[in-house]
Amino acid sequence: AQTVTQSQPEMSVQEAETVTLSCTYDTSESDYYLFWYKQPPSRQMILVIRQEAYKQQNATENRFSVNFQKAAKSFSLKISDSQLGDAAMYFCAYRSRPGGGADGLTFGKGTHLIIQP
Amino acid sequence: NAGVTQTPKFRVLKTGQSMTLLCAQDMNHEYMYWYRQDPGMGLRLIHYSVGEGTTAKGEVPDGYNVSRLKKQNFLLGLESAAPSQTSVYFCASRSPGIYNQPQHFGDGTRLSIL
Repeated sequence: AQTVTQSQPEMSVQEAETVTLSCTYDTSESDYYLFWYKQPPSRQMILVIRQEAYKQQNATENRFSVNFQKAAKSFSLKISDSQLGDAAMYFCAYRSRPGGGADGLTFGKGTHLIIQP
Repeated sequence: NAGVTQTPKFRVLKTGQSMTLLCAQDMNHEYMYWYRQDPGMGLRLIHYSVGEGTTAKGEVPDGYNVSRLKKQNFLLGLESAAPSQTSVYFCASRSPGIYNQPQHFGDGTRLSIL
């Protein structure tokens, strides 16, 4: 079974600064997907960014980018120009590629991101 | 476009009572999932379905049953609620395909068992 570890229970950053959230995972599979989800106080699960393990290029979505290190099984999220609206819980998640629907997400425990004005 | 809708949003039960949580999606997705989220934890998979009439167990299935009689609906049942089932429950769905289709989540149901 796969496991996902987020070693930072809480992070704090000044508005407009850059912050990096860490995620490591353990798997014996060679092909899989990785995700970062944001959960604000409203409780919604919002997809921030996704990465396919077979792609060497790191995914980017506007101010959000990842540093995917497959050999190290590391998948960190960088948020540039932090905004007050970025304050939330952030979850790293893993999904097997073969799927066929039998591919529920495995989540880390989350990192609480605080944005200081 | 409503996406994934969960009913109810909040519920309080007494130990031993039964109830059903409803998840409805209007995106014609084949795959549907039920997760639970406990304090300080990420979401954990309870059950999932790969199509109408099919269900399967996830990581934490004990104490729950599910049904998928219609493609757009996925029901999660608690036959005899226990305090350990106090949690926030999320439903999700996604489309199959060769590309990396993400799961779309509902807004969650907060369930308290007294």
